[in-house]
Amino acid sequence: GAVVSQHPSRVICKSGTSVKIECRSLDFQATTMFWYRQFPKQSLMLMATSNEGSKATYEQGVEKDKFLINHASLTLSTLTVTSAHPEDSSFYICSAAGTATREQYFGPGTRLTVT
Amino acid sequence: GEDVEQSLFLSVREGDSSVINCTYTDSSSTYLYWYKQEPGAGLQLLTYIFSNMDMKQDQRLTVLLNKKDKHLSLRIADTQTGDSAIYFCAEIHRDDKIIFGKGTRLHILP
Repeated sequence: GAVVSQHPSRVICKSGTSVKIECRSLDFQATTMFWYRQFPKQSLMLMATSNEGSKATYEQGVEKDKFLINHASLTLSTLTVTSAHPEDSSFYICSAAGTATREQYFGPGTRLTVT
Repeated sequence: GEDVEQSLFLSVREGDSSVINCTYTDSSSTYLYWYKQEPGAGLQLLTYIFSNMDMKQDQRLTVLLNKKDKHLSLRIADTQTGDSAIYFCAEIHRDDKIIFGKGTRLHILP
């Protein structure tokens, strides 16, 4: 199946700093990428949908100025957590949807810990 | 609402069959998915079923779909210790948003 990578897999940062997470589709072009957040022992929560070359669409309750999403190419989307706080500590997972299929392929996730 | 419901916990003896149930909400969902998440890892797509199918079998996995009742199940035959994980049921809406259930934690007894 298609491969989606995320970098970094784990990151620890200090409160107040910003962290960038990359999501790459390695062997296919993804016109749409999705960003999810998962709290411990909970399901995934969709944060935003990003389409290549346009602004991301954020779900209700997700602050767009705090979680900056850029989908600059058909193989790369980035999520920047700005001015991170301990409550932003979470597991962030991206997925990418190919142009020919509605299947979504998930990245391995990034565990963010804010101290 | 947009809730996909599934039981939170299932305990099965090694070698028995596991059946994980799910009810979804959107009758127009074209695809329904089962994902597996091992501890600390991302999601792995296990299998999916198109909405015009009643059943799909893939090696040890059998998916049953009852569209009238919006009920989906995943059967794992001959459950092994490596099957221990959280299993998420998910439906896809017309705008390609995937709505996940809260996940069923499968525990394997020796």
